Amino acid sequence: NAGVTQTPKFRVLKTGQSMTLLCAQDMNHEYMYWYRQDPGMGLRLIHYSVGEGTTAKGEVPDGYNVSRLKKQNFLLGLESAAPSQTSVYFCASRIWENTGELFFGEGSRLTVL
Amino acid sequence: AQSVTQLGSHVSVSEGALVLLRCNYSSSVPPYLFWYVQYPNQGLQLLLKYTSAATLVKGINGFEAEFKKSETSFHLTKPSAHMSDAAEYFCAVTYSSNSGYALNFGKGTSLLVTP
Repeated sequence: NAGVTQTPKFRVLKTGQSMTLLCAQDMNHEYMYWYRQDPGMGLRLIHYSVGEGTTAKGEVPDGYNVSRLKKQNFLLGLESAAPSQTSVYFCASRIWENTGELFFGEGSRLTVL
Repeated sequence: AQSVTQLGSHVSVSEGALVLLRCNYSSSVPPYLFWYVQYPNQGLQLLLKYTSAATLVKGINGFEAEFKKSETSFHLTKPSAHMSDAAEYFCAVTYSSNSGYALNFGKGTSLLVTP
């Protein structure tokens, strides 16, 4: 009964390094999302996917890329990390029905030095 | 895009007192509204949601919210606060169909419960 699992949970990067955050869900959900959470800013949508093989930009997509090669996985990549990307990243998923709630992972805390 | 505004970034109540967390929405169409709670170092957990079935929505842990169209509000209440209610609370509205029905979150309200 894992739900939404994010790895890694913590990571420290140097400016310019790259990394990938992995999100996996076992609920057979069609929709998946990546948000970032910063103090006083709430959660802001980075990218989302409405199905396997599809991705789209959210509110703050610059500096990030995503891929959804398998329905259960949604990857968030940082090609060249910047200090402004220091944040807590949350993955979420939901069913196709438009009133369905989002199910969240426990977050991945990223620090860019 | 549809959005929400949470009034008050910090709210402090005494244990046993009424909890009232305010949320106003901006939407050109009937919205779907949600309240989530986040405990320290955890993900977000759904408290309740409004999807037009009933204006008074009951959620988990004794919380409820009332949808008031005339006031464009969806305030969260609990009659008697417990110490365990201390957390960050987020109001959210569905962006729109062309954003994959993602949720647009308010900036959050931190609830402090004092003995």
